[in-house]
Amino acid sequence: DIQMTQSPSTLSASVGDRVTITCRASQSISTWLAWYQQKPGKAPKVLIYKASSLESGVPSRFSGSGSGTEFTLTISSLQPDDFATYYCQQYNDYPWTFGQGTKVEIK
Amino acid sequence: QLQLQESGPGLVKPSETLSLTCTVSGGSISSGTYYWGWIRQPPGKGLEWIGNIYYSGRTDYNPSLESRVTTYLDTSKNHFSLKLSSVTAADTAVYYCARSSGGQWLDWGQGTLVIVSS
Repeated sequence: DIQMTQSPSTLSASVGDRVTITCRASQSISTWLAWYQQKPGKAPKVLIYKASSLESGVPSRFSGSGSGTEFTLTISSLQPDDFATYYCQQYNDYPWTFGQGTKVEIK
Repeated sequence: QLQLQESGPGLVKPSETLSLTCTVSGGSISSGTYYWGWIRQPPGKGLEWIGNIYYSGRTDYNPSLESRVTTYLDTSKNHFSLKLSSVTAADTAVYYCARSSGGQWLDWGQGTLVIVSS
């Protein structure tokens, strides 16, 4: 299985901050990576697919980059609605696997 | 707008079979453009992919669950289903059904909590 490792596990930030979350794959996954946002009691919501493509309707302050084994999700200016848990997911190979999550908390 | 809704028992006894259905509205599960799947999340933990089913009937399952999982489509009712046999407490989780295009999960159900307990 391809292991996905996110860092940090928890991130404390303030409104307006630039935030970066990293996701590392245990082997190359090309750009077959998605990012999700999940709020308590809700289903995840896709933000980014194919590493850097912004899903329709997602604010442009979210961006993704990377290829191979290292990927980043960046929020350019953190908004109150962005406090949530973020997951990466690889779909290069079965079984599809998720990172363990990064919780973005209010500082 | 596509909507997915999970349904099924919220409590299952150990060693029994968990059965869930995902009813799709606002779109057809017969579309060859998408595929349908199940993801679960134990309380307070991360996400685990269970498996996919395609319009053709092809299935792909997580090897960690493959011996216990069955998924199938019912195009006449526009729903798809999950069966997970021989459950234990480790199978307690929120179960989500979802639609994928190319690998990313575009649309999700609200999730249903299934507790395995006697």
